[in-house]
Amino acid sequence: AQSVTQPDIHITVSEGASLELRCNYSYGATPYLFWYVQSPGQGLQLLLKYFSGDTLVQGIKGFEAEFKRSQSSFNLRKPSVHWSDAAEYFCAVVINNAGNMLTFGGGTRLMVKP
Amino acid sequence: ETGVTQTPRHLVMGMTNKKSLKCEQHLGHNAMYWYKQSAKKPLELMFVYSLEERVENNSVPSRFSPECPNSSHLFLHLHTLQPEDSALYLCASSQRFRGADEQYFGPGTRLTVT
Repeated sequence: AQSVTQPDIHITVSEGASLELRCNYSYGATPYLFWYVQSPGQGLQLLLKYFSGDTLVQGIKGFEAEFKRSQSSFNLRKPSVHWSDAAEYFCAVVINNAGNMLTFGGGTRLMVKP
Repeated sequence: ETGVTQTPRHLVMGMTNKKSLKCEQHLGHNAMYWYKQSAKKPLELMFVYSLEERVENNSVPSRFSPECPNSSHLFLHLHTLQPEDSALYLCASSQRFRGADEQYFGPGTRLTVT
């Protein structure tokens, strides 16, 4: 079955430490890939997206993600986490030519220690 | 108002009630979406409306009924809901449905069914 997997439900990092959130997908072809962030009581905000081309994608708030076709992964990274990054992060895909319907992973809740 | 707004932000209803959720987008977009976010399942697309078509997730029960009177407004009519329908209902919009345009999300309506 086609799916998006975020293996880590919760992650805790210290402020200033680096961060990597994992995302794997299982589809026959490369889908369009997204990372969204949701702060408490808020809707989702797009951090970055990958459609084609350079496999390292820069996003807002200092985030980046790397697409690795061989691993069917699209991991999100940030070199230095700020306390304001505490939120829930969602990886999502859109299947090419299937219409703009997002399929989400289960999410990773990030907590930041002072 | 800017972006995507949703009303009410919180709703408590009994299983025999009928209520409606409202979404309005101020972005000039042509596609609107309803998503369900519950504690136990990943974010799930319920319905899509665009100028060209309507798409619905076949797993959504008939007690949920969408209405899209124009490209700026989207409603979700609720009747005879079950406690498991308690969730955060998110509305989103995008410029187009065909293609992978960024979706802009509202803050959601927190629904509790008693």
